[in-house]
Amino acid sequence: EPEVTQTPSHQVTQMGQEVILRCVPISNHLYFYWYRQILGQKVEFLVSFYNNEISEKSEIFDDQFSVERPDGSNFTLKIRSTKLEDSAMYFCASRTPGGGNTGELFFGEGSRLTVL
Amino acid sequence: RKEVEQDPGPFNVPEGATVAFNCTYSNSASQSFFWYRQDCRKEPKLLMSVYSSGNEDGRFTAQLNRASQYISLLIRDSKLSDSATYLCVVNMNNDMRFGAGTRLTVKP
Repeated sequence: EPEVTQTPSHQVTQMGQEVILRCVPISNHLYFYWYRQILGQKVEFLVSFYNNEISEKSEIFDDQFSVERPDGSNFTLKIRSTKLEDSAMYFCASRTPGGGNTGELFFGEGSRLTVL
Repeated sequence: RKEVEQDPGPFNVPEGATVAFNCTYSNSASQSFFWYRQDCRKEPKLLMSVYSSGNEDGRFTAQLNRASQYISLLIRDSKLSDSATYLCVVNMNNDMRFGAGTRLTVKP
């Protein structure tokens, strides 16, 4: 069964360092998302990406964040200068462009980021 | 008003109980609706889509009321393995927005 894969599964970094989280969405999917979940809290939308550009982003997704789809398969989230409050699980998800009740979101297993 | 709002929970029920979760959404133009399940420290996984006419999948029944902008999930004959967080998800212009989730614990 096709799946979304994410790397690394866990990254520990020092405050102020740059971090890149990588995702390989399912190959025929066209919409890509990043979400984050701080431990014990809700799943928060960060950004959606379609047709090689950001389609929407939340207020969390400030200038420290960027996304890229560099080679047609990977979808990356970069945090330029990490803060303590960036510590969270980051989920990548993808879906087909189906309308109505098609277009289920498929999630990767997440990348846990710990900022010290 | 939050985009997607759910019962805060937590719900602690005995095995065999029937439990219902509610969810409201703010954008009347929302196109599609889902219930996801998330186990502790795992990724969310689709439980079921929610159709306008209501739909059932075994012990699970989902209902949608577009006029009231309200979605529900009913779990009958709950099992220990149903213990998880249930997330209401709404497709708003191809952006999938999550409710805060309702935690369910089923006890023997």
